[in-house]
Amino acid sequence: SQTIHQWPATLVQPVGSPLSLECTVEGTSNPNLYWYRQAAGRGLQLLFYSVGIGQISSEVPQNLSASRPQDRQFILSSKKLLLSDSGFYLCAWSLVVTEQFFGPGTRLTVL
Amino acid sequence: QQQVKQSPQSLIVQKGGIPIINCAYENTAFDYFPWYQQFPGKGPALLIAIRPDVSEKKEGRFTISFNKSAKQFSLHIMDSQPGDSATYFCAASEGGPGKLIFGQGTTLQVKP
Repeated sequence: SQTIHQWPATLVQPVGSPLSLECTVEGTSNPNLYWYRQAAGRGLQLLFYSVGIGQISSEVPQNLSASRPQDRQFILSSKKLLLSDSGFYLCAWSLVVTEQFFGPGTRLTVL
Repeated sequence: QQQVKQSPQSLIVQKGGIPIINCAYENTAFDYFPWYQQFPGKGPALLIAIRPDVSEKKEGRFTISFNKSAKQFSLHIMDSQPGDSATYFCAASEGGPGKLIFGQGTTLQVKP
């Protein structure tokens, strides 16, 4: 069966520090991968999606970037965090004709 | 217009009641409408989904009603239980379950 992992589960970082969040999927090949951000009490905002290795589409211009170095690995990064980057970051995967499955999320607090 | 508008923002019902959560959209090209359930500190989990060629879909105690002409869809939870207390999100996408546009969420509390 397919599983999706995210780490770390929680992270507290100072303003101006770099960021790297990792997501990996097991049990499937060539999935579509997604990064979402959920602010407190808000809906999910799609940040990036990828249909293949090295193929990244950005939905919202911001202080973040994404990379997909391997088929089932998706990384969210920032060179310098802002206070507004705080939130709950969710990775999700799907195949072309199936629903999206979400990971457990990473709670990021920028101080 | 890519927005999906969800209401109410919060909802409190007694055990056994039937909470109803509504969503509206503008983009007539949307063709996939899922509902997700999220417990605090967890990722959302797919609950039920519908495509616009049907007006209603049931899975257990959960029912989606879809009104294509009104561009609205809703989630009904029959015989609600305290364990149903969670945040519910509607969503929509164009061209299959790819890039989902989410509503703002509804926090449901079911009182014992």
